[in-house]
Amino acid sequence: AQKVTQAQTEISVVEKEDVTLDCVYETRDTTYYLFWYKQPPSGELVFLIRRNSFDEQNEISGRYSWNFQKSTSSFNFTITASQVVDSAVYFCALRSNAGNMLTFGGGTRLMVKP
Amino acid sequence: GAVVSQHPSRVICKSGTSVKIECRSLDFQATTMFWYRQFPKQSLMLMATSNEGSKATYEQGVEKDKFLINHASLTLSTLTVTSAHPEDSSFYICSAGVGISGNTIYFGEGSWLTVV
Repeated sequence: AQKVTQAQTEISVVEKEDVTLDCVYETRDTTYYLFWYKQPPSGELVFLIRRNSFDEQNEISGRYSWNFQKSTSSFNFTITASQVVDSAVYFCALRSNAGNMLTFGGGTRLMVKP
Repeated sequence: GAVVSQHPSRVICKSGTSVKIECRSLDFQATTMFWYRQFPKQSLMLMATSNEGSKATYEQGVEKDKFLINHASLTLSTLTVTSAHPEDSSFYICSAGVGISGNTIYFGEGSWLTVV
């Protein structure tokens, strides 16, 4: 069985602070895919990143960066110099190599205050 | 790029009635689509896998007679909530993937259902 844990249910920061959202996963698959999605109040899921299990390179995209540590089964997401527009719920998700269904973590509600 | 579209985005229905939500893949064919449900302030839970030309596969605890899924074409899956009750009020969202592995998964915009 697969499982994704986002231990932080809510995080509140002040604008321009850096913030890291944690994600820990469990799977017996040797090949799998990890995702991060942003869900603003309107509800739609905004795709942020997909990472394959065999690619442990960290990635940076603008103010966003991701740290994939296979040894600790973690895929953490850092927002640098946070902005009010970053306020949303962020979901980490896991997909096995078979099928396209996702297992979601509980989500982390990020509130960035001006 | 590939897009998944959901309709309606918001719907209010009376208790006891049925409501249909559509999920369309706009520029790709999807033999499989997925339906998720999200209660307020909770995560997304997979309800069922919609298979084109065959029966849907439901997750444990999801009533197949209440949540009817039809995947009649390669670009359309529908979810019908039958005999809706207030506790069915939720956010329903569909997804479809392109390819078999290492693919991109697209989500629809989601549908807010309120049963009064």
